[in-house]
Amino acid sequence: GAVVSQHPSRVICKSGTSVKIECRSLDFQATTMFWYRQFPKQSLMLMATSNEGSKATYEQGVEKDKFLINHASLTLSTLTVTSAHPEDSSFYICSARDYREGAYEQYFGPGTRLTVT
Amino acid sequence: DQQVKQNSPSLSVQEGRISILNCDYTNSMFDYFLWYKKYPAEGPTFLISISSIKDKNEDGRFTVFLNKSAKHLSLHIVPSQPGDSAVYFCASPGGTSYGKLTFGQGTILTVHP
Repeated sequence: GAVVSQHPSRVICKSGTSVKIECRSLDFQATTMFWYRQFPKQSLMLMATSNEGSKATYEQGVEKDKFLINHASLTLSTLTVTSAHPEDSSFYICSARDYREGAYEQYFGPGTRLTVT
Repeated sequence: DQQVKQNSPSLSVQEGRISILNCDYTNSMFDYFLWYKKYPAEGPTFLISISSIKDKNEDGRFTVFLNKSAKHLSLHIVPSQPGDSAVYFCASPGGTSYGKLTFGQGTILTVHP
């Protein structure tokens, strides 16, 4: 159980365009999902916490107008990188909490490699 | 706030030996910790967790020890296998809302055949 998927796994886009990344919990309902970004050889940086039916909570320094998060259902959250620039190129990972198990365990998706040219 | 620190960026061990990965934390009020394993270009995989009501939790080859007085936890892998080669992160909810996790910097484990 506790499987999280992400789509796409890899995307290349041109500067100025927008890209949408989907995160799905496949076998459980996730009222809370999280979006992370990982730079090369660095730790995971939490970008925002996504709550079903309400606005996302963004971490300090993360532009909410640039990184749009929508948590439309208990199994789907989306991250849209708007007007992408080369500096937005990164590895984006989502996670979800399965409240049926453990107090704080998060289960991660496989990640999405975004390259902006 | 809780901070978690992994002071060893890398660890190299021989197959069959024990791997010990360490993590220090700052705030003893927040007492739940998790270990994740991550391969390149993949999402982290949950390994094992521990809460302060225990000082040890074991799952197969993986054991986590919690030393509350030293604000220190460690992950032991015995015996180590080449497939264990990955980046290991410790994490803590740290009392934050919605259970968001604070991650350490990670330790790259390399297990040599």
